[in-house]
This record gives sequence, structure tokens and C-alpha cells, in this order.
Amino acid sequence: AQSVTQLGSHVSVSEGALVLLRCNYSSSVPPYLFWYVQYPNQGLQLLLKYTTGATLVKGINGFEAEFKKSETSFHLTKPSAHMSDAAEYFCAVNAKGKSTFGDGTTLTVKP
Amino acid sequence: SQTIHQWPATLVQPVGSPLSLECTVEGTSNPNLYWYRQAAGRGLQLLFYSVGIGQISSEVPQNLSASRPQDRQFILSSKKLLLSDSGFYLCAWNSGTNTEAFFGQGTRLTVV
Repeated sequence: AQSVTQLGSHVSVSEGALVLLRCNYSSSVPPYLFWYVQYPNQGLQLLLKYTTGATLVKGINGFEAEFKKSETSFHLTKPSAHMSDAAEYFCAVNAKGKSTFGDGTTLTVKP
Repeated sequence: SQTIHQWPATLVQPVGSPLSLECTVEGTSNPNLYWYRQAAGRGLQLLFYSVGIGQISSEVPQNLSASRPQDRQFILSSKKLLLSDSGFYLCAWNSGTNTEAFFGQGTRLTVV
């Protein structure tokens, strides 16, 4: 079985501050890991993904995430938050062909 | 390029009425197709997935059913809606077992 835990259902940062959204996973096989973003009343869009190879992956809109096998983590970061980053973010793990999503983290960006 | 269409965007239905939500994918063949439900403040719950025409797997027992009459068409149905069926329904597809998913714009269903 696989699972995803996103620590913190709500994160608030000031514009220009560092964004850190935490994701821990469990998987019985080497996982494929994803971060998605969802704006209100819309579907999810892929931000970035880790499959194999380099453990630091870069995505769209200046986001990046680092796969740490020893910590079973895949935290999402962005050096400087923009107002447009306010949205809900989902971490997901794929293993054996099925996706499991975390409960999501709502990011609020304060001016 | 591939696109996914899901409709309607919003729907208000009375308890006990039937439901049909449709999802179609363009620009690819033999996609894996998924129906998810998203409750407020919760993650995505996988309802059904399909790896081919007529092949449907149900993840959770519920009042809903799914069908795949054509390669790129996925339908979510109910004969009689319950209040608890309210939520945001998302259709998605991917091309392989461990590739990223592409989502439709979602349907906000309110059962009254």
C-alpha cells in the first residue's frame, strides 16, 4: 500500500518569502512522485515530477522539489512567493500504476 | 496536443434524480481514465479507473457507477442521487502506469 501525508493543511507566507510545502510518502516499491496545483473550481495541473535520476527536480512557476529517500520526503519549495501562487497544492505518489493523493495544502500569500 | 473535456461545469440535482457526467479525451489513444471526487478540505478520492473499453475498476463501494463505451469517453452515472453525492468531480487521464495525470476542469455537483 502507499500513502501520502501533507503536513499542514494551510500555509501562509508573505509575498517574497520562501514557500515550503511538506510531503511525506510511503511506498513498498520505488515511487514516482508528483506535485500538482489547483486553482479554485478548476482541475489539477502538474507542477513537477520525480521519476528517476536527479533528486532535485524543477517545475513550472519557479517551484522545485527534492526527493529524499532516507526521509521519504518530497517537499516543495519556491524561493520567493508571488500573489499568483495562492492555490491548493497536492502531493501524489504513483506506485504499481495507481495514484494516491495527499489531502492538499492551501497556500495563502499575504501582500 | 491532448485535451480533456468534462461537462457540465456545475450541476444542481434533486435527491433521487439520475446523474450522468461525461468526460472525453482528444489527441491520444487508449488512455487510462479516472474519476475522482474531491470533498472540501480533503484530498482526491479515486472512484473508478479504466484501462480500456468496457474495463472498469471501482475503488470504493458507493452509489455511483462508471462506463467506458468508447476508447476516449468515460461516463459517471447514478440512478438515484443522495445528498452525500455532492462534491467536486474530476476526470483525469494518463498514458501509462506511472505517468502524470491530466485533469479536466471538474464538475461541481450539488444534490438538494
